Amino acid sequence: TQLLEQSPQFLSIQEGENLTVYCNSSSVFSSLQWYRQEPGEGPVLLVTVVTGGEVKKLKRLTFQFGDARKDSSLHITAAQPGDTGLYLCAATKYNTDKLIFGTGTRLQVFP
Amino acid sequence: EPEVTQTPSHQVTQMGQEVILRCVPISNHLYFYWYRQILGQKVEFLVSFYNNEISEKSEIFDDQFSVERPDGSNFTLKIRSTKLEDSAMYFCASSELGPRQFGAGYTFGSGTRLTVV
Repeated sequence: TQLLEQSPQFLSIQEGENLTVYCNSSSVFSSLQWYRQEPGEGPVLLVTVVTGGEVKKLKRLTFQFGDARKDSSLHITAAQPGDTGLYLCAATKYNTDKLIFGTGTRLQVFP
Repeated sequence: EPEVTQTPSHQVTQMGQEVILRCVPISNHLYFYWYRQILGQKVEFLVSFYNNEISEKSEIFDDQFSVERPDGSNFTLKIRSTKLEDSAMYFCASSELGPRQFGAGYTFGSGTRLTVV
């Protein structure tokens, strides 16, 4: 079974703090995506990374794809209460259509 | 911003009944998908659909499930005889690029919460 493990599972921090969420696997992926999901809603795409070592920035969010294309990280600088939500990594492999979702990280940012 | 629309938002059905979940993907997207999320669990792939046929399905997608694109806009998921364990959020998604093409981004709908009683 292909598994994408995210850590930490839960994270509660104060507004203004920095945080990093990790997404790890033993498999090599063709691309990796990060989504944010609100309760009762579908996942919303934040970013797609396709090249090993690639770094993408989206305002205060920085995403990195590992050199070996097996892992990724999401770093949030100066977290805001509006960043609260469930963060999901999801990956594709070369020979399949399916998007494999990670176990999720639930982030709570307190004002 | 273009969005994927799913109806109904919530469906309650009796075990053994047939249900049809409906989706309107983004108009210029060519690839369509169904995923499901059982409460408290990961989002799981069910099926992908391209060029009017299933391109891949998971082991979950057994003979009780079928998909159809009856016209140019709707994409449906039918469960023929629902079981209690089919209770989940069902998400439709679409993409412009295929899943095996680098950089494909998926747009998910808000989901249909199916409750089988």
